[in-house]
Amino acid sequence: SAVISQKPSRDICQRGTSLTIQCQVDSQVTMMFWYRQQPGQSLTLIATANQGSEATYESGFVIDKFPISRPNLTFSTLTVSNMSPEDSSIYLCSAARWAPQETQYFGPGTRLLVL
Amino acid sequence: AQTVTQSQPEMSVQEAETVTLSCTYDTSESDYYLFWYKQPPSRQMILVIRQEAYKQQNATENRFSVNFQKAAKSFSLKISDSQLGDAAMYFCASRGGGSNYKLTFGKGTLLTVNP
Repeated sequence: SAVISQKPSRDICQRGTSLTIQCQVDSQVTMMFWYRQQPGQSLTLIATANQGSEATYESGFVIDKFPISRPNLTFSTLTVSNMSPEDSSIYLCSAARWAPQETQYFGPGTRLLVL
Repeated sequence: AQTVTQSQPEMSVQEAETVTLSCTYDTSESDYYLFWYKQPPSRQMILVIRQEAYKQQNATENRFSVNFQKAAKSFSLKISDSQLGDAAMYFCASRGGGSNYKLTFGKGTLLTVNP
């Protein structure tokens, strides 16, 4: 299995500010993803973090609002920019490995509250 | 596009008994994968079981098994000999085949295990 850590685990932020969430995987993985889980809701994919290139965003999510970096195979960051209370959510990092069989692992999440 | 529907927002089971969680999905792809994930109150998502659509045999993992009905697009999870540690939110998820690795999640079923 892959162990995924995220920092910070939680934060309370003021509207208009930005927060960068870090995701570290303990071993090389093929793909990394960022999901949002709004209170009491399911997970929604924000984007696929591509190593050394721009992330691939899902419909409804844009780079200006959620810039993502992935400088190497085991590390990625997600920034939530110009936050509003609607951004209050849990943000989860996910990493996928294909051997010995396809598995996606999830980090513990970052609980964000925007005031 | 893929959609996943979990029609049971909450379920409960007595310890040591069996419970079945329902999931239906829709996809236009012939090659796809189905998953059940568990999210305990600690928030870390854990893969419970996976099923490749091309396999007719239902997947099993210890006390967890699935009933995969491809024609009906149904993918239910059976938990046998339920334990207190099984209490969690359970998410059904799917992904398409090929290089489309993103997961589509259902809304989840909250399972309570009563002692």
